[in-house]
Amino acid sequence: GQNIDQPTEMTATEGAIVQINCTYQTSGFNGLFWYQQHAGEAPTFLSYNVLDGLEEKGRFSSFLSRSKGYSYLLLKELQMKDSASYLCAVRERSGYSTLTFGKGTMLLVSP
Amino acid sequence: ETGVTQTPRHLVMGMTNKKSLKCEQHLGHNAMYWYKQSAKKPLELMFVYNFKEQTENNSVPSRFSPECPNSSHLFLHLHTLQPEDSALYLCASSGRDSQNYNSPLHFGNGTRLTVT
Repeated sequence: GQNIDQPTEMTATEGAIVQINCTYQTSGFNGLFWYQQHAGEAPTFLSYNVLDGLEEKGRFSSFLSRSKGYSYLLLKELQMKDSASYLCAVRERSGYSTLTFGKGTMLLVSP
Repeated sequence: ETGVTQTPRHLVMGMTNKKSLKCEQHLGHNAMYWYKQSAKKPLELMFVYNFKEQTENNSVPSRFSPECPNSSHLFLHLHTLQPEDSALYLCASSGRDSQNYNSPLHFGNGTRLTVT
């Protein structure tokens, strides 16, 4: 079966660094995605990993280990506007972008 | 402006009503999707269309009926819904990137549906 796990909630303070973990067990693997979703808004694409290693994009970085079925999203220099839900999703096969999502991690950034 | 527009933003309907959700994408993508987002649950894939052809129906009850007249428009027709169908319904689209993989999903803001 498909299983994607991530923590339900995390809290952090402005200016800090936070790491959101995601573990997955899926029948196939063709890439892992991270999305950010503010309340009442559309999920927006943050990052994509298909090979092992770290992908850096400004304040956000994402890491993947395929052998461990593990990824994390690293957010640096946290800002209040980073308070949102962060969704981990796996694409199991190539072709269309049909994704299987985790439940999301609600990140609360406090002053 | 997300490039994917959904209407209406909010919808309240009774169990005997018939209504439709509309989605339009302005990104030139070839694939469109319906996802359901319920509280404390993962996003659930409902339907996939590629070049107007339905390629996936994820065991969705027949009271949900999708329609894709062209690659830019997607509808979800609703009839005889149940209160447990209350959720956020998200439309998304994707195309192909330079490596010939599908690009990331681009989502609309969703329709918040309440069934009374």
